[in-house]
Amino acid sequence: SQQGEEDPQALSIQEGENATMNCSYKTSINNLQWYRQNSGRGLVHLILIRSNEREKHSGRLRVTLDTSKKSSSLLITASRAADTASYFCATVSDQGAQKLVFGQGTRLTINP
Amino acid sequence: DADVTQTPRNRITKTGKRIMLECSQTKGHDRMYWYRQDPGLGLRLIYYSFDVKDINKGEISDGYSVSRQAQAKFSLSLESAIPNQTALYFCATSGVTGGQPQHFGDGTRLSIL
Repeated sequence: SQQGEEDPQALSIQEGENATMNCSYKTSINNLQWYRQNSGRGLVHLILIRSNEREKHSGRLRVTLDTSKKSSSLLITASRAADTASYFCATVSDQGAQKLVFGQGTRLTINP
Repeated sequence: DADVTQTPRNRITKTGKRIMLECSQTKGHDRMYWYRQDPGLGLRLIYYSFDVKDINKGEISDGYSVSRQAQAKFSLSLESAIPNQTALYFCATSGVTGGQPQHFGDGTRLSIL
């Protein structure tokens, strides 16, 4: 079974706007990671946030984590056409095994 | 050259055939993983390996087997393929310390008729 539920399943915005994607999960976690998948390609790691962190930034990406609500959000600011992709959150509950459990993803389309 | 290479990239085969998907990596990572992705869904873990002698079942291992031939090579086999194993298959690697991201190959698109 999949740990995460992502919302929305699909998002279409204009270039330059901000995009926000949400992820909810069910069990306690060690860390949560966000990945991007371009069509026909493998997943690319974007950012990792640990359970004791609340916010993290990387370039135009901002990730928040609320462990009390078991939820995370990914914000992409000033979107570009190249950001068009599917975005997945993945949780790690077992620090030793580091197994990723993925959500079903958000399909993001940036319109020029 | 890609750090994680999967072969073949595409494969069409018939029900009942034995199929092997191969993964090789140049990242020097000890940990390797096999996932499958179905349309509109996230990835699900099939098997993972922490080193050549340590192989573990994931969430959906039934109907699959794996072999870790070397640190750099991890292959996935479907002993007798069935149509509901039609999916996109990904190999990934990671380092051993906690909180390491995984690095993915570009996938194998497998169709079983």
